[in-house]
Amino acid sequence: DTEVTQTPKHLVMGMTNKKSLKCEQHMGHRAMYWYKQKAKKPPELMFVYSYEKLSINESVPSRFSPECPNSSLLNLHLHALQPEDSALYLCASSHFLSKLDRRTGELFFGEGSRLTVL
Amino acid sequence: GENVEQHPSTLSVQEGDSAVIKCTYSDSASNYFPWYKQELGKRPQLIIDIRSNVGEKKDQRIAVTLNKTAKHFSLHITETQPEDSAVYFCAASKAMNYGGSQGNLIFGKGTKLSVKP
Repeated sequence: DTEVTQTPKHLVMGMTNKKSLKCEQHMGHRAMYWYKQKAKKPPELMFVYSYEKLSINESVPSRFSPECPNSSLLNLHLHALQPEDSALYLCASSHFLSKLDRRTGELFFGEGSRLTVL
Repeated sequence: GENVEQHPSTLSVQEGDSAVIKCTYSDSASNYFPWYKQELGKRPQLIIDIRSNVGEKKDQRIAVTLNKTAKHFSLHITETQPEDSAVYFCAASKAMNYGGSQGNLIFGKGTKLSVKP
């Protein structure tokens, strides 16, 4: 299984709503990521989890709250979002990129959750 | 932090021609350089990657070259086909020592490649 599964595929929410994006992988990857991608732009890193612990937060506003309940699941809780937060939210997972072994640091991306904030 | 510059932003070639996309990076400690392909409406997918202990890597019609001294790396696609049309992103990261946390993967702005039949 080389799939990263994201739900929902599409989400429309108001600025006062609370919603969550979900991501699941069963590849044994211990690094999981949230990226935000606007149209015609590269993916922009938001958060990195390493062994279920938050290791990188790229100064993301607190209205985005990540959670990693176990090694296979990653959530992104959304609250009081702004229209400019509308984007494609990509989850990804990978093995750790190590100097000591040949495993690649390939990111496996999910299909994304397309979020529209009204 | 790391900064990755990518050129050109758009590239149009005739089917069968070669395409070259170039990237430069700023952090001399970066040592892992992947290339991702993203077709319209789809997820990014890795097409090839290279580590800094290697100068060149090839996989069928795709090759990547790395010049550590100049801090630039390039993607070469030969015998282009219409299905190669997509946005290509270069990226740079640092492989951590064993047991360390995963580093940032910083993407270039992307190159939209169009292959005309």
